[in-house]
Amino acid sequence: GNSVTQMEGPVTLSEEAFLTINCTYTATGYPSLFWYVQYPGEGLQLLLKATKADDKGSNKGFEATYRKETTSFHLEKGSVQVSDSAVYFCALFLKGYSTLTFGKGTMLLVSP
Amino acid sequence: KAGVTQTPRYLIKTRGQQVTLSCSPISGHRSVSWYQQTPGQGLQFLFEYFSETQRNKGNFPGRFSGRQFSNSRSEMNVSTLELGDSALYLCASSLGHRDAGANVLTFGAGSRLTVL
Repeated sequence: GNSVTQMEGPVTLSEEAFLTINCTYTATGYPSLFWYVQYPGEGLQLLLKATKADDKGSNKGFEATYRKETTSFHLEKGSVQVSDSAVYFCALFLKGYSTLTFGKGTMLLVSP
Repeated sequence: KAGVTQTPRYLIKTRGQQVTLSCSPISGHRSVSWYQQTPGQGLQFLFEYFSETQRNKGNFPGRFSGRQFSNSRSEMNVSTLELGDSALYLCASSLGHRDAGANVLTFGAGSRLTVL
C-alpha cells in the first residue's frame, strides 16, 4: 500500500536554528509529494510540492527535494522563526487516485 | 477568491445522535474530499466526491456517509454517534484531475465535533 512516515515530534528549536523534518514514503507508483502546514485552530495549508524526482519545492524559506532513490522528501529551513510553530504534514498523491495520503504530522515548537 | 467554507465550526452532540457537516468548495472545483483528524490516528481519508459521485472511499463504517450537490457543495453525515467520533473533520476541494501531476487540495478550517 501507500504510506508516509514522518519523524515523531515535537521538534523544539530556538529561533534562528536550522530545521529538518524527515519524511519517507512507500508508494505503488510514482507519486507527487507535498508538505502541508497546520497552524493552531486552522485547516491545512499547502507549503510546497514536487512532482518528479530531483525537483525541489520551496516556499517561505522552506525547501524539500524529491529523492526517488531514498524515497524521501525531507523538509528544511535555514533559520526558523517563532511564527513557524505549527504542525507539518508530509503527503503523497498518486495519479489515478485523486486523494492524498498523509503522514501523522510533526509538531514544531520554536522559542524566542 | 473565496476559500473552502465549512459549517458549523464547532458542535457538541451526545452519543446516539446524528450530525451533518457542510462544505462549500472553491468556485470551479468539482472534487470535495473529507478527512477525519484525531490526535491518535492523525489524518484519515473518509471519502471523495466528484461531480456528485463518490469516487473514493476510505475505511470507515457505514455510519459515515456523504453526498455532493450539483453546485459541488458537499455534506457529510455521521449517524449513531460514538465517543470515538470526536474529531476535527476537514474538507478539501480541488479541480479533481486524476491524471494531473499534482492535484492540489485546498482545505477548509474544519468542523470540530465533540461527542459526549
